[in-house]
Amino acid sequence: DTEVTQTPKHLVMGMTNKKSLKCEQHMGHRAMYWYKQKAKKPPELMFVYSYEKLSINESVPSRFSPECPNSSLLNLHLHALQPEDSALYLCASSQEMQGGQPQHFGDGTRLSIL
Amino acid sequence: GNSVTQMEGPVTLSEEAFLTINCTYTATGYPSLFWYVQYPGEGLQLLLKATKADDKGSNKGFEATYRKETTSFHLEKGSVQVSDSAVYFCALRDGSSNTGKLIFGQGTTLQVKP
Repeated sequence: DTEVTQTPKHLVMGMTNKKSLKCEQHMGHRAMYWYKQKAKKPPELMFVYSYEKLSINESVPSRFSPECPNSSLLNLHLHALQPEDSALYLCASSQEMQGGQPQHFGDGTRLSIL
Repeated sequence: GNSVTQMEGPVTLSEEAFLTINCTYTATGYPSLFWYVQYPGEGLQLLLKATKADDKGSNKGFEATYRKETTSFHLEKGSVQVSDSAVYFCALRDGSSNTGKLIFGQGTTLQVKP
């Protein structure tokens, strides 16, 4: 069982819709991450939150808007997405943003843009 | 900069065959090394880890040894099963980096046939 929970598992949306992806962890981790993954490729880092503050934004388009309401929750708000944004979106967490501890991943949300 | 290189796949084996997936890395600091596995339709699962030279990580019959002299972290399993069919990612985190980014290899697809 994964200790990082993501909802929904699947999402289909039109290019004009607004939707949100949610991620939750109860391991007491202080760093949380959003990744985008295309089929058979490694995950690409999008955002990093450390102690509920945005620490890294990997030049992600503004149609993706992250939010960290508290230390256990991470959201990714989506608006006016493009077909090329169809992918698996993975959330991860680790004890700290820095250091050599592993990141733990959720099962992801598979997003399809019509 | 830091990087990870994995052997190209796909790797196709018969059940009970011996598995080796090669992974080498380049790092300026003292990285922790990881193997993640991604089963079809799922997120990434941490398979094993090693945090310093000569450490051996092991889990579910898989093993990998952190070799600083050859900058390698090859994944091995003595007898693969059909259920091991998945994509395997080698990754590193540089503990001395102020971002703690997880650097992935390109992934190796393993297919095990009965």
